Order: sequence, then C-alpha cells, then structure tokens
Amino acid sequence: AAGVIQSPRHLIKEKRETATLKCYPIPRHDTVYWYQQGPGQDPQFLISFYEKMQSDKGSIPDRFSAQQFSDYHSELNMSSLELGDSALYFCASSLYWDRSDTEAFFGQGTRLTVV
Amino acid sequence: AQKVTQAQTEISVVEKEDVTLDCVYETRDTTYYLFWYKQPPSGELVFLIRRNSFDEQNEISGRYSWNFQKSTSSFNFTITASQVVDSAVYFCALSEANNAGNMLTFGGGTRLMVKP
Repeated sequence: AAGVIQSPRHLIKEKRETATLKCYPIPRHDTVYWYQQGPGQDPQFLISFYEKMQSDKGSIPDRFSAQQFSDYHSELNMSSLELGDSALYFCASSLYWDRSDTEAFFGQGTRLTVV
Repeated sequence: AQKVTQAQTEISVVEKEDVTLDCVYETRDTTYYLFWYKQPPSGELVFLIRRNSFDEQNEISGRYSWNFQKSTSSFNFTITASQVVDSAVYFCALSEANNAGNMLTFGGGTRLMVKP
C-alpha cells in the first residue's frame, strides 16, 4: 500500500540558508500535518492543512511557512536556518478527523542538519 | 490544555521478559483519542494503536496489549515475551476531538532496550 512520501530523506544546509521539505500524502488523504522532532525529543506539532487551507498551527517559527497544493502535496519552507533547526521533520496524512475511521500515517521523515 | 506524560524515560529488559510502558494523559475534553507509536532506530514512526475515549475495552494484538483506564487517565502498553526487535522508542500521544484534524500531543517517549 502507498505510504506518505517525504523528500529529501536527508538534507544538510548551512546557517542562514533556506530549505524546502516536501510531503506527498497517501492517495485520497486530504489532511497533512508537519511535526518537528529534535534530538532526543518527542515530535512537536508545527502546522496542518485540510483541503489546501491551514487548519491548525502549533509551535512553528515565523521563519517557516508551509502550504498544501491542489494535488494535496505539501511543502515546508524554512528560511534563515539556525543550528537549532536541526531535527527530524515528519509529515503525516489522514482523512479529515470527523471521519470515524481516520488516523494519521507518518512518513519516514526528513533529517535536516544545519551546519 | 492537553498533556501526555511518560514517566519512564528508559527501560531495559532481557528477552522474553514482559514489560509495561506507562502513559498518563491530561485533557479537558470528554472526547479524545489516544495513540501509541513505535520509533525504531531507523527513525520512522510506526502506528500501533488508536483508542477513543468512549471505548475502555482493553485490546490485545499478538504480544501487544493495551490497558485504558479513564479513572486514572492512563493508557498503558504491555509487551509480552519481549524480543530484541522490540527495542525502540515508544511514544504515547493524545488528540482532542475539538482540534480541527489529527493534531497529536506526544509524550516524551520511553526508550525500550531488549537485551538478548
């Protein structure tokens, strides 16, 4: 079965550079979520989209922005990268929450290293 | 505000031992969902179980079992006859129904090490 695809799997950037992470949800899933997991930390919710509109916002820095496109894939744009942005970034997708059979499926993550 | 606490940061057992991972949650909602995820060394998050707040039935899936007790706000996870492949970080997570979508609040995780 198709899963959530994230690209790239690994990314190395220098401080102050920009990074773009991509997420391709499971087919027919209309909701995408982004999480950030720092070293030794639990995943922290950043932002979510439903039907291309932002639905929830967590602890996402102003330097980060995200959007969901018409084909439901999503991109997380990160600018002015800082060393503290080094983390594993997960994307998850689901059918909208008010469906009783929904659950979030996670991608394998993008490991971002800022040097 | 929602909160998930996994008091055990690290557990070490010998293969074939049973082990229980504790999870305590806080929420003001009457409708909410509880999850367990496994994160092996490779890093991906593997979904294990989802339980809604109205279903207090315990669940067993092979060597895995879950004990949901609303009275103590706990959702504990037991692995019976542990195996080396069970070594991973396990996260308990909570989502409140009033959230627009599946926004999860994770506990800090419990690192389980199963030694041969």
